[in-house]
Amino acid sequence: DTGVSQNPRHKITKRGQNVTFRCDPISEHNRLYWYRQTLGQGPEFLTYFQNEAQLEKSRLLSDRFSAERPKGSFSTLEIQRTEQGDSAMYLCASSLASGGTNEKLFFGSGTQLSVL
Amino acid sequence: DAKTTQPPSMDCAEGRAANLPCNHSTISGNEYVYWYRQIHSQGPQYIIHGLKNNETNEMASLIITEDRKSSTLILPHATLRDTAVYYCIVYDYKLSFGAGTTVTVRA
Repeated sequence: DTGVSQNPRHKITKRGQNVTFRCDPISEHNRLYWYRQTLGQGPEFLTYFQNEAQLEKSRLLSDRFSAERPKGSFSTLEIQRTEQGDSAMYLCASSLASGGTNEKLFFGSGTQLSVL
Repeated sequence: DAKTTQPPSMDCAEGRAANLPCNHSTISGNEYVYWYRQIHSQGPQYIIHGLKNNETNEMASLIITEDRKSSTLILPHATLRDTAVYYCIVYDYKLSFGAGTTVTVRA
């Protein structure tokens, strides 16, 4: 079963360091989403891609955050100059969207970031 | 922003049906209602979705009221493995999660 894969599962870093997470979506899924989740809260939308194009970014995505999806396959989310407030679970999801609002997202297990 | 209202928590006895309510009074005519659940330390898992008609799959049933302002997710025979946070979401070209309902299934 080739579901959505996220690496690493856990990342501990010191404040001020840069970190990069990777997401491998389900093969042939054209949409890829990034969410962030803090303890006790539901996931918050960050950004999404349709193939290689980044179509929407949340205001939560400060200029320290950047996401890419080269060639419309895997995606990376980079956080520069990490802050303690960046500590969260970062979730990736993918879907095969054909237009409209009938779309199922499949989520990975997430990357848990701890900024010390 | 979430367009739904759910109770923060509920308990259910193992083997009994669990009925999870959701209010979405501002839903538009072409917006689907989705349900996801999240088991501790895992990503959300799709359960079911619907537009107007009631839906059933191997996991659950979804009952949507005729005016579409509310819905109920039914887990027909809850097991301990159904303990999770359940999210009801009105889809508006992206999933916007609220706080969900924490469901605890007790033996």
